[in-house]
Amino acid sequence: GGIITQTPKFLIGQEGQKLTLKCQQNFNHDTMYWYRQDSGKGLRLIYYSITENDLQKGDLSEGYDASREKKSSFSLTVTSAQKNEMAVFLCASSIWGYEQYFGPGTRLTVL
Amino acid sequence: GEKVEQHESTLSVREGDSAVINCTYTDTASSYFPWYKQEAGKSLHFVIDIRSNVDRKQSQRLIVLLDKKAKRFSLHITATQPEDSAIYFCAASMISSGQKLVFGQGTILKVYL
Repeated sequence: GGIITQTPKFLIGQEGQKLTLKCQQNFNHDTMYWYRQDSGKGLRLIYYSITENDLQKGDLSEGYDASREKKSSFSLTVTSAQKNEMAVFLCASSIWGYEQYFGPGTRLTVL
Repeated sequence: GEKVEQHESTLSVREGDSAVINCTYTDTASSYFPWYKQEAGKSLHFVIDIRSNVDRKQSQRLIVLLDKKAKRFSLHITATQPEDSAIYFCAASMISSGQKLVFGQGTILKVYL
């Protein structure tokens, strides 16, 4: 089996700050994803990467950048944190066309 | 774009009874429909999926039904147990977009004794 690691587990930022979230997987999956989960809502796709060096925008990409540094890692940057923003960011990976495996999440709070 | 509606926001069932969660989608091109479970304080994990070439799939106590004409799919959990209590998310995607999933809002399932 494999595992997805997300760092940090908790992230507290200031309004306007640039914040970076990291994700590592050892499934050897080609495809990786970043989702945002808000309380009481489903997941919304921010960015995904089909293979190393690929980057695709999801429905919620505005305000975010992403980087697929290598096959096993995928980073997400909040370009300018919004005051009072609170959400959980979930990283996932998969073989293309099959079920996604999710990481434990990074919980973001912006003061 | 695709929209997925999950009809029950909360569902309470007695242990041993069946639970049914219903989802509808808008895009007729959608062809892959997975379900995920999120237990309290944890992340999502995959439970079962169905593809558009079949209309029923079963894995132990889980049954997924797909009605392409009505653009509706449902998760049936039979003989529910307390450990089934969680939030369940349905999702849909098109083959052409691979695994670009659109999720429903989630259903909180509570199984009581």
